[in-house]
Amino acid sequence: AQKVTQAQTEISVVEKEDVTLDCVYETRDTTYYLFWYKQPPSGELVFLIRRNSFDEQNEISGRYSWNFQKSTSSFNFTITASQVVDSAVYFCALSGGTNAGGTSYGKLTFGQGTILTVHP
Amino acid sequence: GAGVSQSPRYKVAKRGQDVALRCDPISGHVSLFWYQQALGQGPEFLTYFQNEAQLDKSGLPSDRFFAERPEGSVSTLKIQRTQQEDSAVYLCASSFWGWGLILWNTNEKLFFGSGTQLSVL
Repeated sequence: AQKVTQAQTEISVVEKEDVTLDCVYETRDTTYYLFWYKQPPSGELVFLIRRNSFDEQNEISGRYSWNFQKSTSSFNFTITASQVVDSAVYFCALSGGTNAGGTSYGKLTFGQGTILTVHP
Repeated sequence: GAGVSQSPRYKVAKRGQDVALRCDPISGHVSLFWYQQALGQGPEFLTYFQNEAQLDKSGLPSDRFFAERPEGSVSTLKIQRTQQEDSAVYLCASSFWGWGLILWNTNEKLFFGSGTQLSVL
């Protein structure tokens, strides 16, 4: 069975601090996809990133960066110079792969989420 | 519409009542998912439609839960004889491609609605 663990339930930082959200996953699939979603108070899940299991390149998008390490089954998310608008619940999610050319990516297994509060 | 639309936004039901939750996906999207999110938890998969076909209902917690998407667009999640443990946010998501039709190098992703918060008293 697939499992995603976000050990940090809540994180509180002051604006402009850097913050890293941890994500550890378990899967028996050799091919899979990892995601991060942001859930603001409005409730809608906002897509941040999708990472394929065969692509271990780290990625940076503005103030956001992701560190994928297959050897430790981790997919951590760092926000640099945090802002108040970053306050939200962040979810890491995992989907299984199928044979080449197909994916069951839409059936996601989510972690429990990390509540991030950024204070001014 | 521009995004995934869900209605009602809030629903209060007395225990034992039947409820129907609506999801209007992004126009043209083949895939539609329902997720259940309990308070303080991550969303959990309920069921999946590819067009009008329900290909996976493995996450439905009991036979009181029923989902349909008769014309391959709007979907309804129905809960019969609601119980207090059914209280949760029900999220709908859609994507353009169908399950199993994704190519490795697409940037496909799920688009989520804001959910329906169901409270069973």
